Amino acid sequence: TQLLEQSPQFLSIQEGENLTVYCNSSSVFSSLQWYRQEPGEGPVLLVTVVTGGEVKKLKRLTFQFGDARKDSSLHITAAQPGDTGLYLCAGVNYGGSQGNLIFGKGTKLSVKP
Amino acid sequence: EAGVVQSPRYKIIEKKQPVAFWCNPISGHNTLYWYRQNLGQGPELLIRYENEEAVDDSQLPKDRFSAERLKGVDSTLKIQPAELGDSAVYLCASSYPGFGEQYFGPGTRLTVT
Repeated sequence: TQLLEQSPQFLSIQEGENLTVYCNSSSVFSSLQWYRQEPGEGPVLLVTVVTGGEVKKLKRLTFQFGDARKDSSLHITAAQPGDTGLYLCAGVNYGGSQGNLIFGKGTKLSVKP
Repeated sequence: EAGVVQSPRYKIIEKKQPVAFWCNPISGHNTLYWYRQNLGQGPELLIRYENEEAVDDSQLPKDRFSAERLKGVDSTLKIQPAELGDSAVYLCASSYPGFGEQYFGPGTRLTVT
């Protein structure tokens, strides 16, 4: 069974601080996705990383896929209250269960003004 | 363009009662997913449809859960009878065939008392 471990589980910071959340697995994934979920809503895709070592930037968010495609990180620079939410990583394997996502438990981020 | 529509948004029932959730995917999306998200957890896949065909229902508890997707568009997920442990958010997602990005609906929050 493939599992994704996310850390930390909870994170409460002040506006303007930087933060990094981690997503780790003992399994290799074809690609990895990061989602943000706000209360009462479904997850919304932020980014997909495919190549080992890949780095993608989305404004103040930087995503990295590990060289071995087993882990990923999300770094937020100068966090804002609007960044508050549940950040989920999800691994994808292209094979028998084409496109099925395996989600981690998420990191609940709270950014205080 | 309308997103994935789910109803009802909230449902409270007593244990042993039946309950049904409805999902209308994004127009043109042939693939439809049902997920269950327990409190403090990431979503877990219950069933995946390609058009009318359930191509992956390995995680669906078939003794009490059933799903259908008549005509390959709308889908209904049913629980009969509901148990206390079924309390969760039930998310529907849709995508284009293959490895397309999944778009999630807002979910139905089920409380079983």
